[in-house]
Amino acid sequence: DGGITQSPKYLFRKEGQNVTLSCEQNLNHDAMYWYRQDPGQGLRLIYYSQIVNDFQKGDIAEGYSVSREKKESFPLTVTSAQKNPTAFYLCASSIDQGGIGNQPQHFGDGTRLSIL
Amino acid sequence: AQTVTQSQPEMSVQEAETVTLSCTYDTSESDYYLFWYKQPPSRQMILVIRQEAYKQQNATENRFSVNFQKAAKSFSLKISDSQLGDAAMYFCAYRRINDMRFGAGTRLTVKP
Repeated sequence: DGGITQSPKYLFRKEGQNVTLSCEQNLNHDAMYWYRQDPGQGLRLIYYSQIVNDFQKGDIAEGYSVSREKKESFPLTVTSAQKNPTAFYLCASSIDQGGIGNQPQHFGDGTRLSIL
Repeated sequence: AQTVTQSQPEMSVQEAETVTLSCTYDTSESDYYLFWYKQPPSRQMILVIRQEAYKQQNATENRFSVNFQKAAKSFSLKISDSQLGDAAMYFCAYRRINDMRFGAGTRLTVKP
């Protein structure tokens, strides 16, 4: 079955450490997204990518980095510059490429990141 | 920047009854899309229903329907014949190209 796989489900970060969250999709979608969800809040966009080797900052990109070397993969690195990384991270993909955005986003099951 | 507001942090409904969740948004665009997503305790985001702004007809999906008022920038979700499995966080979302905005969510409780 097609879908989006995020790993790991739970992740712990030490002070000063970079950690990478994995996101893989086999839906053949062009666009991929990373969101952060804090308690009592909606999703906030960190980064998105419409095509391979291209990505754009979202609303809260500071302290994060991404890469898009393959269509199927869009890993997110939480760097030591992100001072409050504890949150639930959701990866999403959608089929449209440069379109008006009429296609819904499909989401993974998320990764919960905590500070040790 | 576009914003999405859900004014009801929590709602409850009796099983088999009907409940309406509110959503308003702010945009200067005329072409955009609106969505309702459901997030159960498993935390997975599940698409419930979507509405194209250029369509006057309100979208329906089985027990779920919307009341889309473009001039008022309102997009409410009605759940009919509520079931225990409907209990979840519900997020309203606005999208135009890659500008995707989510509301803060409404937690729906279904009482047996």
